[in-house]
Amino acid sequence: QSALTQPASVSGSPGQSITISCTGTSSDVGTYNLVSWYQQHPGKAPKVIIYEVTKRPSGVSNRFSGSKSGNTASLTISGLQAEDEADYHCCSYAGRSTYVFGGGTKLTAL
Amino acid sequence: QVQLVQSGAEVKKPGASVKVSCRASGYNFTSIGINWVRQAPGQGLEWMGWISPYNGHTNYVQNLQGRVTMTTDTSTSTVHMELRSLKSDDTAMYYCARAMIVGADAFDIWGQGTLVTVSS
Repeated sequence: QSALTQPASVSGSPGQSITISCTGTSSDVGTYNLVSWYQQHPGKAPKVIIYEVTKRPSGVSNRFSGSKSGNTASLTISGLQAEDEADYHCCSYAGRSTYVFGGGTKLTAL
Repeated sequence: QVQLVQSGAEVKKPGASVKVSCRASGYNFTSIGINWVRQAPGQGLEWMGWISPYNGHTNYVQNLQGRVTMTTDTSTSTVHMELRSLKSDDTAMYYCARAMIVGADAFDIWGQGTLVTVSS
């Protein structure tokens, strides 16, 4: 079970939109619509911002959206704000009651 | 409020064992599973395994099988994670995380983390 592949870093200016990709395989992302995304600020525990590919938990800004095509899931943040600067992690169900995370992406708001 | 509170930081020598606890409050403890996730310094998250507080059923990531055991104590609403034969690359922040009630394949409530340092 290999980790999902994410870019190490992305950056954007305030107000812009950015997209973070998360590439898995046909054994995880490609088969199950069970991808979740987590935001993690330095020294803090992760926070779920997207589940089941596209759904937002109550209280999460609608500037965060998720999608999936084939073996790749994506997180888009629109109207980038300084407070969005954080690490972002994707996670997928991988069958047999197991999960796999990506390596994480550091988002820098320029 | 709904929360998970973990035990304090640990320093262990290689070859030793560590047991981290995670106490739940604010919800029906036996109604939803608890996962363990770790994060080595400067690295991404790694899912370690899952336990059902309802019946104690567990499932572990393949590369930790044989070294990890997760247990539950319903009398104190606590789950425990024991990791044996510790190595230096087990140094990490260890988190417990509750499965979501709606969307059980995501994790909505996280403990504050327990730092485990393995060093001779």
